[in-house]
Amino acid sequence: NAGVTQTPKFQVLKTGQSMTLQCAQDMNHNSMYWYRQDPGMGLRLIYYSASEGTTDKGEVPNGYNVSRLNKREFSLRLESAAPSQTSVYFCASSIGNSNQPQHFGDGTRLSIL
Amino acid sequence: DAKTTQPPSMDCAEGRAANLPCNHSTISGNEYVYWYRQIHSQGPQYIIHGLKNNETNEMASLIITEDRKSSTLILPHATLRDTAVYYCIVRVGGSNDYKLSFGAGTTVTVRA
Repeated sequence: NAGVTQTPKFQVLKTGQSMTLQCAQDMNHNSMYWYRQDPGMGLRLIYYSASEGTTDKGEVPNGYNVSRLNKREFSLRLESAAPSQTSVYFCASSIGNSNQPQHFGDGTRLSIL
Repeated sequence: DAKTTQPPSMDCAEGRAANLPCNHSTISGNEYVYWYRQIHSQGPQYIIHGLKNNETNEMASLIITEDRKSSTLILPHATLRDTAVYYCIVRVGGSNDYKLSFGAGTTVTVRA
């Protein structure tokens, strides 16, 4: 049982390049989330998907797009990467009920030069 | 949205109990308190959560005051592996798409 799996674990991009961060969960969870964490700071929500077929903006959505491909997979896309998007990106999932916790992946460390 | 206040850091001796405080004075009646920790840039790890009753699991205990304005996470026998940043979070949002607002947390250092 892998839980939440993120790929890749590390990536270096040049400014203006695009890429997609992948996330998959095997816990049959309804809700999925993307966060970013900058050095010395807490996590900030980028986008979330309450259920398959729906997505909503979080605190810091600018510069990102998401796709809930199916119940298992939730991807995050940077269309034109900027140095300000250098960060660690975490994906999480939850059952979606009112009080059940989110479970996190190990993160993707992204550097944009 | 209810916010939380935690001390920025605290030390604890190995083998002793670690008591981590959290204030959430504006919490609403149907909001839960969650605790997570993050060990050296790994993904956040869920520890425990509760509404108004004290809770205990294999990792920790959660004590919530009767007025629910504050809570304490207790690690009963801290080990070096418990060194991490601990986040106290109050749930926000609706019943089917709740979001967690992470603050700066408490950096806990367990010393031998």
